[in-house]
Amino acid sequence: KAGVTQTPRYLIKTRGQQVTLSCSPISGHRSVSWYQQTPGQGLQFLFEYFSETQRNKGNFPGRFSGRQFSNSRSEMNVSTLELGDSALYLCASTGSLLASAAYNEQFFGPGTRLTVL
Amino acid sequence: QKEVEQNSGPLSVPEGAIASLNCTYSDRGSQSFFWYRQYSGKSPELIMSIYSNGDKEDGRFTAQLNKASQYVSLLIRDSQPSDSATYLCAVIDKIIFGKGTRLHILP
Repeated sequence: KAGVTQTPRYLIKTRGQQVTLSCSPISGHRSVSWYQQTPGQGLQFLFEYFSETQRNKGNFPGRFSGRQFSNSRSEMNVSTLELGDSALYLCASTGSLLASAAYNEQFFGPGTRLTVL
Repeated sequence: QKEVEQNSGPLSVPEGAIASLNCTYSDRGSQSFFWYRQYSGKSPELIMSIYSNGDKEDGRFTAQLNKASQYVSLLIRDSQPSDSATYLCAVIDKIIFGKGTRLHILP
């Protein structure tokens, strides 16, 4: 079974631009979560989608948004990029049908390394 | 603010010895705890989950949970150089991760 895939793997943008990251979960998984990882703040939860609906949301500004499609693929968008948005963005999927992804093992993708200049 | 605290390390342990990784959390209502391993340049992978007070063993790994002290630990027995990585503690029902402890196994 193929793992979680994320595209692109690396991205360089300039301040003020916007960016869209894509995540395809493990086949059959309907929950997708997004995280931001930086050396200073560690791994921080952005949001979780389940069946095309946002189920949980972390404490990030509205510039960070996401969506999920009917095939469970998810996209994350960051608008008006700031230097501090430079990070590794990780997507994770879980196969849980009953409970929030928070209670179940999450399988992480390889991440997208975003650099904002 | 809900927090998960870990010593950043690096924690250096001789090969074959026991590595002990510790984590404290601030929210007394936390229920589920995961330990992830993250190799440099890679994504996190789940090692252990623990939900009840006491010890849980899986191969060379033992997770320990003490909810009264708000403390969770991971023991790695017979440490191998391949165990060198960053270990993330997560209070998974609160979706909060610690910043991780870097573990270095000395050959």
